[in-house]
Amino acid sequence: DAGVIQSPRHEVTEMGQEVTLRCKPISGHNSLFWYRQTMMRGLELLIYFNNNVPIDDSGMPEDRFSAKMPNASFSTLKIQPSEPRDSAVYFCASSLTGTGYSNQPQHFGDGTRLSIL
Amino acid sequence: KQEVTQIPAALSVPEGENLVLNCSFTDSAIYNLQWFRQDPGKGLTSLLLIQSSQREQTSGRLNASLDKSSGRSTLYIAASQPGDSATYLCAVSGQGGKLIFGQGTELSVKP
Repeated sequence: DAGVIQSPRHEVTEMGQEVTLRCKPISGHNSLFWYRQTMMRGLELLIYFNNNVPIDDSGMPEDRFSAKMPNASFSTLKIQPSEPRDSAVYFCASSLTGTGYSNQPQHFGDGTRLSIL
Repeated sequence: KQEVTQIPAALSVPEGENLVLNCSFTDSAIYNLQWFRQDPGKGLTSLLLIQSSQREQTSGRLNASLDKSSGRSTLYIAASQPGDSATYLCAVSGQGGKLIFGQGTELSVKP
């Protein structure tokens, strides 16, 4: 199994630019999660999807952040315009959730290390 | 609001020691609790998952316990090895699979 695949692995861009992070979940998983990790705040959930539908986006910090899941095998997290405080590692994870799946762990990608100058 | 706390924040032990990492959470209404390992520059690897109805799970040298009523979990690592050096994260899952993470314990095992 290929695991959760994220791209790019590293992104360095200037403040004000649009940034798009990509994620391919594990085939067959019905839930997808976007997290952000910083030294100050640790790992925080930004948004999660179930069956391609956004369920909880309460962790999205501002309107500058948006996420989409057009199909079961692809999701994007977009920041526009980007700011230096958005610098962090962004992780995507997927799992099987729902009735009968309480024993299924989340599988994480290797993350995108984002630096906004 | 669920809060997860891990103690200690960092731990350094000589190779071969048995050790315990602690995790506490404020809301006992959880679906499961997961322990992850994170190596520098890498993503998270799931180590153990304990469902809310279970008391413990074991995998090799790792044993995780869960006391839901008191809001506590421990991760026991037997006969520690330098390769166990990493950050260990505890996370609790609510409805929908949403995970709330602790800040982690950075473990260093000295040869």
